[in-house]
Amino acid sequence: GENVEQHPSTLSVQEGDSAVIKCTYSDSASNYFPWYKQELGKGPQLIIDIRSNVGEKKDQRIAVTLNKTAKHFSLHITETQPEDSAVYFCAAILRGSGYSTLTFGKGTMLLVSP
Amino acid sequence: GAVVSQHPSWVICKSGTSVKIECRSLDFQATTMFWYRQFPKQSLMLMATSNEGSKATYEQGVEKDKFLINHASLTLSTLTVTSAHPEDSSFYICSAREWGDTQYFGPGTRLTVL
Repeated sequence: GENVEQHPSTLSVQEGDSAVIKCTYSDSASNYFPWYKQELGKGPQLIIDIRSNVGEKKDQRIAVTLNKTAKHFSLHITETQPEDSAVYFCAAILRGSGYSTLTFGKGTMLLVSP
Repeated sequence: GAVVSQHPSWVICKSGTSVKIECRSLDFQATTMFWYRQFPKQSLMLMATSNEGSKATYEQGVEKDKFLINHASLTLSTLTVTSAHPEDSSFYICSAREWGDTQYFGPGTRLTVL
């Protein structure tokens, strides 16, 4: 089955700095990669996703890049703000497999200091 | 759009009693719903997948007689924890998917068994 590794487990940055979280996946057939943000005591919130036919996707301060050859994808947050502090999870899935479920990374706790 | 609600948001019960958690997709029809369990500072652990009108598919190690899942309509799934014990205390999160790959998560239910 799919295995997703996520690094780093914790990341501390100063407000205004950029933050990068990296994930690798094992199944080369996986073709959909969402990122979720989870604040304390809340459910995960989808913040951006990318499909395997695209190398990069951007939404304001958030971007995701995908390298299919290397089987890794990354989340980039620019101009970080204190409200970006949360746990971020990457995930991978094989579309159209009939029984397709998300495989999550272990999460990255991002702390943005004012 | 794509809002998933859960009820209750938290529940405290006595050991041996049963607890029902509801998951609703508010503005879309969820052909598939998922139930996750999350321990503190850990990633999401998939418990089961349910398709509307079908029996749920449970992940290995999850007791189907203890965690009863019903997906009776395209907007409602329920998880019943039967004969709850303190080790069942956890954060339970549902997610819902329409036809594509994108999963939207509910806010979670904190279960405490005394």
